[in-house]
Amino acid sequence: GIQVEQSPPDLILQEGANSTLRCNFSDSVNNLQWFHQNPWGQLINLFYIPSGTKQNGRLSATTVATERYSLLYISSSQTTDSGVYFCAVGTGTASKLTFGTGTRLQVTL
Amino acid sequence: GAVVSQHPSRVICKSGTSVKIECRSLDFQATTMFWYRQFPKKSLMLMATSNEGSKATYEQGVEKDKFLINHASLTLSTLTVTSAHPEDSSFYICSAREGTGGRGYTFGSGTRLTVV
Repeated sequence: GIQVEQSPPDLILQEGANSTLRCNFSDSVNNLQWFHQNPWGQLINLFYIPSGTKQNGRLSATTVATERYSLLYISSSQTTDSGVYFCAVGTGTASKLTFGTGTRLQVTL
Repeated sequence: GAVVSQHPSRVICKSGTSVKIECRSLDFQATTMFWYRQFPKKSLMLMATSNEGSKATYEQGVEKDKFLINHASLTLSTLTVTSAHPEDSSFYICSAREGTGGRGYTFGSGTRLTVV
């Protein structure tokens, strides 16, 4: 099956710093989403972005489908951004998502 | 927005007993529901996909008789862990999708199962 690797695995930032999270995938996808899992386990959808660039407040994402990667940018990070960020991809006609390995982010004061 | 309710949020059960976890879509009809398992500090692993009124499709390596999935209506899916053992302890998360488009995956808040 498709492999989805994320980097870095762990990241510690001071409040106000910017960061870039990367998601590499091993095959063509027709669905790519970024999620944030808060410390209590709840997953929140951040972006649906199989290609192109989107922005939502301090977050933005870019997917270059032809090169099989996606980037999530977090600017002016806040302590509430802490948690785990996952990308998840879908292929073909199947509706299921395969989750990446995740990036654990800790934002400190 | 779309809301998925999952309960219980935490359950402790004795080895050998069965536990049922419910996943409900509150304000939309879920054509497809998914069940994931997450070990501590690990990613989500898809266990099975279920469509209303039909049998679930299990991922390779997932025991069908151990993890019973029922998707009896467009708003309710249940996962029953049968004859639970300590190695079944984990965080279980459901997800529901409305329609067939690429968007619209809504996740429940998860169930932490501890088998003692």
